[in-house]
Amino acid sequence: GAGVSQSPSNKVTEKGKDVELRCDPISGHTALYWYRQSLGQGLEFLIYFQGNSAPDKSGLPSDRFSAERTGGSVSTLTIQRTQQEDSAVYLCASSRGWQGGGEQYFGPGTRLTVT
Amino acid sequence: AQRVTQPEKLLSVFKGAPVELKCNYSYSGSPELFWYVQYSRQRLQLLLRHISRESIKGFTADLNKGETSFHLKKPFAQEEDSAMYYCALRFNQAGTALIFGKGTTLSVSS
Repeated sequence: GAGVSQSPSNKVTEKGKDVELRCDPISGHTALYWYRQSLGQGLEFLIYFQGNSAPDKSGLPSDRFSAERTGGSVSTLTIQRTQQEDSAVYLCASSRGWQGGGEQYFGPGTRLTVT
Repeated sequence: AQRVTQPEKLLSVFKGAPVELKCNYSYSGSPELFWYVQYSRQRLQLLLRHISRESIKGFTADLNKGETSFHLKKPFAQEEDSAMYYCALRFNQAGTALIFGKGTTLSVSS
């Protein structure tokens, strides 16, 4: 089957604009994660969805960041009023949750550039 | 707070030399430790996890709770091992997110 997919692969936006990044997890995976990969910072956890539970938003860097997961499948990460420091690769991952041993399968990422 | 430290940003070795990528963690409970790898222009993927106690592509890693370390080792490096390696910690088994180190770039040259 298909792996985790993300769109767009690249996004260039002007400072102050809003952007939406999309993630399609592997079918049947109940857990979905967003991470940010930037130079010098490595991989930072942003938000985690598990089934119908309330998401763990503890990694979101500011209230400009939000995410939704509709129908337990597709997720959208929204960044409002983008800043240059938001430039990074945004990675999505999914897993079967704890029942699957926790292995996370990553998408190819969306490279966001804020000019 | 939970933390994963990879002290080396870059590790350069010659083909056939032994490799050790260091990883230390801070966590008071019983963590799960992982190594993920990202080859050039490929996705991040799981290399190995401590609970499996397996060897993947010749790499092994042993969890040392006394030293809070999970170093990745390979006795003879190959050029195809060149990649970015991330150590990661999951602090319970409820499928929660991973805490990653900042990564180490391994460069193997002939």
